[in-house]
Amino acid sequence: EVQLVESGGGLVQPGGSLRLSCAASGFTFRIYAMTWVRQAPGKGLEWVSAISGTGFTTYYADSVKGRFTISRDNSNNTVYLEMNSLRAGDTALYFCARDRNPSDHWGQGILVTVSS
Amino acid sequence: QSVLTQPPSASGTPGQSVTISCSGSASNIGSNIVNWYQQFPGTAPKLLIKNDDQRPPGVPERFSASKTGTSASLAISGLQSEDEADYYCAAWDYRLNGDVFGTGTKVTVL
Repeated sequence: EVQLVESGGGLVQPGGSLRLSCAASGFTFRIYAMTWVRQAPGKGLEWVSAISGTGFTTYYADSVKGRFTISRDNSNNTVYLEMNSLRAGDTALYFCARDRNPSDHWGQGILVTVSS
Repeated sequence: QSVLTQPPSASGTPGQSVTISCSGSASNIGSNIVNWYQQFPGTAPKLLIKNDDQRPPGVPERFSASKTGTSASLAISGLQSEDEADYYCAAWDYRLNGDVFGTGTKVTVL
């Protein structure tokens, strides 16, 4: 069974940093791209970032480019999202998902709140 | 800001059919596959339709989708109370070099 479990969220002040992790199990992690999608409270889905199976290719939404970094550790079946210079507008539930276009399995999400 | 436009809401009575539109452009729907996701409040999205019109295993046949030019649509026939959810279209956009989601449509079963 495919499982994706996000962790690392919480409350952070504007300008601060946070690193999200997504632990994957139940599939051959290294052959799948991985994606992060977020959803602000009461709002729609927003694609954030994606990374290829090898980790060599990364993609970012314009809204996070230069502030967020996606990476992966295929030996530990984990994908990360390093978030810097956080803003109030980054407050959202962050989902980790397997593959891209389409993403066929999703984690339950982790809440990130940016507030002073 | 979403580049794929959906109606904010759609509704129908049990047994009726509902269609949700998704309007994009040449850089996304016009040149790439469209996927549809279903999301219930407080839960993760679920892949409903992939590759324009394919249902993943376990998705009921009453869900169907199509694409023409720079627009796509999702149809729910024989509407059931458990279909009450938010629905999102999504596609790769080559100008943005990233995925884009639709604005989302809330389906209500009256």
